[in-house]
Amino acid sequence: DTGVSQNPRHKITKRGQNVTFRCDPISEHNRLYWYRQTLGQGPEFLTYFQNEAQLEKSRLLSDRFSAERPKGSFSTLEIQRTEQGDSAMYLCASSFWADQPQHFGDGTRLSIL
Amino acid sequence: GIQVEQSPPDLILQEGANSTLRCNFSDSVNNLQWFHQNPWGQLINLFYIPSGTKQNGRLSATTVATERYSLLYISSSQTTDSGVYFCAGYSGGGADGLTFGKGTHLIIQP
Repeated sequence: DTGVSQNPRHKITKRGQNVTFRCDPISEHNRLYWYRQTLGQGPEFLTYFQNEAQLEKSRLLSDRFSAERPKGSFSTLEIQRTEQGDSAMYLCASSFWADQPQHFGDGTRLSIL
Repeated sequence: GIQVEQSPPDLILQEGANSTLRCNFSDSVNNLQWFHQNPWGQLINLFYIPSGTKQNGRLSATTVATERYSLLYISSSQTTDSGVYFCAGYSGGGADGLTFGKGTHLIIQP
């Protein structure tokens, strides 16, 4: 169990640029989740995958946000045309199944200049 | 979705003190977890406890599912216990993501 891995740890970019984050879940975990955390708040659920199927995406913050998990292993979260308000910590978690504990990665901290 | 309320929002204690953090849920939950977020932002799993009582060293947790609340106990606090403690729950059916409370910010002074 090597834990959930997220890259990069930090991303600084200019407003209007596209960014992509990667998450490698714990091996054999079927479920993968993305969350966003802003300063002073708890993480906010965005979307999740069961294997390669994205089963919930209505919580994605806008159509600028998209996520993929092409082979049911790692996942990517992309934000297009970044805005100041996108500055936050983006967290990934995985679990073996629905009612099992979720394990979180260390997150990617996004700063928009 | 469910609502999660945590109390107190802030807590300042001296090293060696004990504390109790509370989490109330608006609906029954299938998954309930407690996390510690350290100053570097890492979310550390403390307990997976949809019901019952668990203990891990100086920490223990109790969830009373029928009354929709959970308690986290920290005994003999150490400065390394400082940080934000979150509880989060998932009610099943629907979005499947955890809903987090706003957290309890704990400061342990030497």
